[in-house]
Amino acid sequence: AQTVTQSQPEMSVQEAETVTLSCTYDTSENNYYLFWYKQPPSRQMILVIRQEAYKQQNATENRFSVNFQKAAKSFSLKISDSQLGDTAMYFCAFMKPEPSGTYKYIFGTGTRLKVLA
Amino acid sequence: GAVVSQHPSRVICKSGTSVKIECRSLDFQATTMFWYRQFPKQSLMLMATSNEGSKATYEQGVEKDKFLINHASLTLSTLTVTSAHPEDSSFYICSARTVPGYTFGSGTRLTVV
Repeated sequence: AQTVTQSQPEMSVQEAETVTLSCTYDTSENNYYLFWYKQPPSRQMILVIRQEAYKQQNATENRFSVNFQKAAKSFSLKISDSQLGDTAMYFCAFMKPEPSGTYKYIFGTGTRLKVLA
Repeated sequence: GAVVSQHPSRVICKSGTSVKIECRSLDFQATTMFWYRQFPKQSLMLMATSNEGSKATYEQGVEKDKFLINHASLTLSTLTVTSAHPEDSSFYICSARTVPGYTFGSGTRLTVV
């Protein structure tokens, strides 16, 4: 079975600094997707970034980038120039196609990030 | 972008009553929707997969008769918590498959008193 591990329950970073959130996963699959979601106090789940396992190039979305190490099964998120609005719970998620044709997420336990002014 | 509308955002009900939560896909059709439950300071746990026009698929350990799911149209899925008890109090979130990743509703906080 697939598992997703986020070993940092809480982290803090000074505004404008850079922070890296770690995520490791376990799977025997070769075709899958990895995501980082942000859940602010409003509880709305917001997609931050996505990575396809077959792509070697690390995904980047503005201030957010990932370090995808497929062999090590590691998928860390780097937030550059941290802003107060980045304060949220961050979930790493794994997704693969099911035999039924649907896709299911497996979420990590989350990392609570606080950006300090 | 794609929007998933979830209502109500908050509901308080008495123990023993039933509560219905709606999840609508706006401006797109969703043949499959997912229902999650999130306890305080914990991750999202998939409860069931809702399939339009057919029975929902429940995850192991989720009571089908307690959590009734109906996906009667391509834009609406509902979750009914039947005979609610205080232990059913939680945050419930729906999602639908969109590109590049699933889009989530804003969630429903259920409190059973």
